[in-house]
Amino acid sequence: NAGVMQNPRHLVRRRGQEARLRCSPMKGHSHVYWYRQLPEEGLKFMVYLQKENIIDESGMPKERFSAEFPKEGPSILRIQQVVRGDSAAYFCASSRTSGRNTGELFFGEGSRLTVL
Amino acid sequence: QQQVKQSPQSLIVQKGGISIINCAYENTAFDYFPWYQQFPGKGPALLIAIRPDVSEKKEGRFTISFNKSAKQFSLHIMDSQPGDSATYFCAASKTGGGGADGLTFGKGTHLIIQP
Repeated sequence: NAGVMQNPRHLVRRRGQEARLRCSPMKGHSHVYWYRQLPEEGLKFMVYLQKENIIDESGMPKERFSAEFPKEGPSILRIQQVVRGDSAAYFCASSRTSGRNTGELFFGEGSRLTVL
Repeated sequence: QQQVKQSPQSLIVQKGGISIINCAYENTAFDYFPWYQQFPGKGPALLIAIRPDVSEKKEGRFTISFNKSAKQFSLHIMDSQPGDSATYFCAASKTGGGGADGLTFGKGTHLIIQP
């Protein structure tokens, strides 16, 4: 039973380029969460999605960042026109229910974005 | 506004000792309090979790103590081992009713167990 799969594990972009991070949730999970982790910081909530719906994007920057979770395929976190401050580890998590029942989230191993 | 405050930021414990990490929360609507363990280069993994209807939960060498009135909870690692060296995050969420389901994390504690 594969866990949460994220790719790429490492991504290097130059300022102004686009970064696309992918997340396949655990089998049977239909709820996906994206978190950002800066060095020496905790994980900051960005967005919560269910299939084809954004449920809560209160942690997403208003510009350049977007997320989707299509009916088919992985969830994608997209960062346009990256800047050095976007360099971080981006973690995806999934849950079986809405999280309202169990609260348990399963995390992937993260995608580490470096902006040159 | 930091809703979950974690301390200490770093901790060094001798092998066999007790590691204690503390967290305090502000939002009284939180009703789920997990602890996650993260090794370098890996994602966080759920270690143990508690709900406010109990004051303590124990799983092996790991124990969560919960004080609802003080809005505090702590992780105790008994007989700490070098393999426990990792970063530990406390978190909280609201699992009933409306609102975000995402976990709110503390800033983490770097734990080092010295042989």
